[in-house]
Amino acid sequence: DAKTTQPTSMDCAEGRAANLPCNHSTISGNEYVYWYRQIHSQGPQYIIHGLKNNETNEMASLIITEDRKSSTLILPHATLRDTAVYYCIVIKTSYDKVIFGPGTSLSVIP
Amino acid sequence: GAGVSQSPSNKVTEKGKDVELRCDPISGHTALYWYRQSLGQGLEFLIYFQGNSAPDKSGLPSDRFSAERTGGSVSTLTIQRTQQEDSAVYLCASSLLSGKDTQYFGPGTRLTVL
Repeated sequence: DAKTTQPTSMDCAEGRAANLPCNHSTISGNEYVYWYRQIHSQGPQYIIHGLKNNETNEMASLIITEDRKSSTLILPHATLRDTAVYYCIVIKTSYDKVIFGPGTSLSVIP
Repeated sequence: GAGVSQSPSNKVTEKGKDVELRCDPISGHTALYWYRQSLGQGLEFLIYFQGNSAPDKSGLPSDRFSAERTGGSVSTLTIQRTQQEDSAVYLCASSLLSGKDTQYFGPGTRLTVL
């Protein structure tokens, strides 16, 4: 079972920031929050991950609440190519298979 | 650098035939995973390799499914006596050491069983 809940779909205007929320209220101390996305007909693509601190890379920023029960993925300037299904998952520090829920279908609108 | 590659990209087969799917992980990655994704569904875990051993085969849906990995690199997923419900995209991922390391996915093999 997926340990996260996400909105089913979201729209974002091109050039604006896309903020994708994720709830993981049962997360435990040794679990990381990972974000992947899947563009139609392609394999999932890693975006970013974090434990408790906010993280930023060339693709996105990840904001994790202090209690770690939720997080937000931020795409600062969404483009049409960011249209995809975005998956928020939790992974333990030891071996753990990836369990994807239904994710959020993000549509970037011109 | 080279990512995870899979072959073939598409496979159409007749019900009852055997198929073999191949995954080439990123060089140096010791962990390898197989997943499948049915149309409109999330990913379903099949099997995990650490090196050549498979400590977790819990996701294999039936004894018609098997996988092996030799030399700690290439892996093959074999489906015997294919059924129509086996039609899906089969995805392979690899990570450097273990699950806590980022898993990088290949493009998948789209299997269609007629």
